[in-house]
Amino acid sequence: GDSVTQMEGPVTLSEEAFLTINCTYTATGYPSLFWYVQYPGEGLQLLLKATKADDKGSNKGFEATYRKETTSFHLEKGSVQVSDSAVYFCALLYNQGGKLIFGQGTELSVKP
Amino acid sequence: SAVISQKPSRDICQRGTSLTIQCQVDSQVTMMFWYRQQPGQSLTLIATANQGSEATYESGFVIDKFPISRPNLTFSTLTVSNMSPEDSSIYLCSVAVRSYEQYFGPGTRLTVT
Repeated sequence: GDSVTQMEGPVTLSEEAFLTINCTYTATGYPSLFWYVQYPGEGLQLLLKATKADDKGSNKGFEATYRKETTSFHLEKGSVQVSDSAVYFCALLYNQGGKLIFGQGTELSVKP
Repeated sequence: SAVISQKPSRDICQRGTSLTIQCQVDSQVTMMFWYRQQPGQSLTLIATANQGSEATYESGFVIDKFPISRPNLTFSTLTVSNMSPEDSSIYLCSVAVRSYEQYFGPGTRLTVT
């Protein structure tokens, strides 16, 4: 069945470091892909999305490109801030309007 | 996007009791979803709640344990019945605003003792 695999955390970085969180997926067909962020004690927020191959989603300095050939959707940010400390979830949506399938989440901790 | 609120935000309940969680959206939406996030885990879909029809449950979740109501296009409830400590989780509702975007409520943190 459809699934999402993320790199394990926690990931600890210093402020202004470069961030990559790997995400790969298994799906039949052409899913839409998402990154959600969960700040401590809060619900999930949609960070960015891509709906077809080669699309690049971007928001708040974060980027991810939908790579069909490698079935990947890696999250990147050039310079992280302490306020980026959160848990990041990669997710796929196979049927439009249907259920999201989440990866296991990657905890990011940014130190000043 | 959509603004979603949930009540209660957290609760501590005794085993064997039931808790009803409310989800309110600031606009009319067709599809609402209920997810569970167990401690330190990812999110798992419990059921899809569509107005005017029975909820559709995912494998491993049953209506007797997690009855859902969807009386209109802005509101839904999830009841966690006959609770046990294993039901301690965060329960989140989400809505599909456009066909490929879902927005989540702040969650209800449930602890069963």
